[in-house]
Amino acid sequence: GESVGLHLPTLSVQEGDNSIINCAYSNSASDYFIWYKQESGKGPQFIIDIRSNMDKRQGQRVTVLLNKTVKHLSLQIAATQPGDSAVYFCAEKETNFGNEKLTFGTGTRLTIIP
Amino acid sequence: NAGVTQTPKFQVLKTGQSMTLQCAQDMNHNSMYWYRQDPGMGLRLIYYSASEGTTDKGEVPNGYNVSRLNKREFSLRLESAAPSQTSVYFCASSLGQRNTIYFGEGSWLTVV
Repeated sequence: GESVGLHLPTLSVQEGDNSIINCAYSNSASDYFIWYKQESGKGPQFIIDIRSNMDKRQGQRVTVLLNKTVKHLSLQIAATQPGDSAVYFCAEKETNFGNEKLTFGTGTRLTIIP
Repeated sequence: NAGVTQTPKFQVLKTGQSMTLQCAQDMNHNSMYWYRQDPGMGLRLIYYSASEGTTDKGEVPNGYNVSRLNKREFSLRLESAAPSQTSVYFCASSLGQRNTIYFGEGSWLTVV
């Protein structure tokens, strides 16, 4: 079956530095990708998404990069803040008609060091 | 605008007991979902409702039933709870199946 994985389960970054969280996916038919942030005791919070017809999308302090050739997704967080400490999930979806399954990775825990 | 609201937040059940997790969204979304989250497993889809009046099985439906009561509400029922159903449950909704999914705050369920 398909899998969505993360290269590093934990990541520590100095406050103010940039962070990069990586994600590999194996379903070449996936055409929609999402990054979620989950703080302790809370539900996943949508951060940013990207469709397969794009290779880069920027939000506020966050950038998602998609490399379809190697099936790799990354989330870049600029100028990290203590509030960025959380678990980050990538998710992929194959949006062909009748199959809308969203597959989640297990997550990377990002810790911002003051 | 509360988004996705689910209750209860915490629940302890004895094996064999039944209970219903309630979920409501105020975003006028058409699609609603129930996921469970277990350590090292990621979020797994239990059931979903693409639109009012329809429900479909997800990845791990065994031991659960759902009801799409109306457009706002989607409940998850455990008829006979088992320790393997100890988990964190998340309700979610989206405008449509091709749109972003928004999650509730979670329900922590322990079956002893």
